[in-house]
Amino acid sequence: GAVVSQHPSRVICKSGTSVKIECRSLDFQATTMFWYRQFPKKSLMLMATSNEGSKATYEQGVEKDKFLINHASLTLSTLTVTSAHPEDSSFYICSASGSRESSYNEQFFGPGTRLTVL
Amino acid sequence: AQTVTQSQPEMSVQEAETVTLSCTYDTSESNYYLFWYKQPPSRQMILVIRQEAYKQQNATENRFSVNFQKAAKSFSLKISDSQLGDTAMYFCAFMKPQGAQKLVFGQGTRLTINP
Repeated sequence: GAVVSQHPSRVICKSGTSVKIECRSLDFQATTMFWYRQFPKKSLMLMATSNEGSKATYEQGVEKDKFLINHASLTLSTLTVTSAHPEDSSFYICSASGSRESSYNEQFFGPGTRLTVL
Repeated sequence: AQTVTQSQPEMSVQEAETVTLSCTYDTSESNYYLFWYKQPPSRQMILVIRQEAYKQQNATENRFSVNFQKAAKSFSLKISDSQLGDTAMYFCAFMKPQGAQKLVFGQGTRLTINP
């Protein structure tokens, strides 16, 4: 399967600072990338969907000014958590899918980033 | 909106046993995809098996098979000859093939395989 990387794998920051998380598709062109948030022992919650060169589409209840998503190229999307607070501490996972060759396009998941805000 | 329900928060079986994880979903769509994902302690999401709704034949992947009951909106996962490496969280997920192809996940089932 295709490979998706995330960087950093872990980050600790102080309250009020901003943190950027990168998601890269290493061996395919990702036309669509998804960002999820996962609380401990809980399911994945979709935060937003981004298409290369377009503005991200945020799910209801997700603050777009707090979670800035950029999908500037076919291999890179970034999630910036602005003015982070302790309640933003979570596990963030990205996934990527490429151009559709059939009616279904598999999402390939990154390994996740654990964010801790002190 | 689609919803996915996994009613078993935790399950535990002995190695080599067979275990079945339950999943039900709600949708008004006639064409869609269903998935089972595994999330081991490493937290990496791994696709276990996929089922297309218009296919009546149940999908199988080695020790993993599904029982897809479209009318009942049920999609259970059977793991045969369970192994210690099968210990993980298992998520059932739904996807419409149209539009952004977002995945809707169930709450997850924590499966523990005991030696």
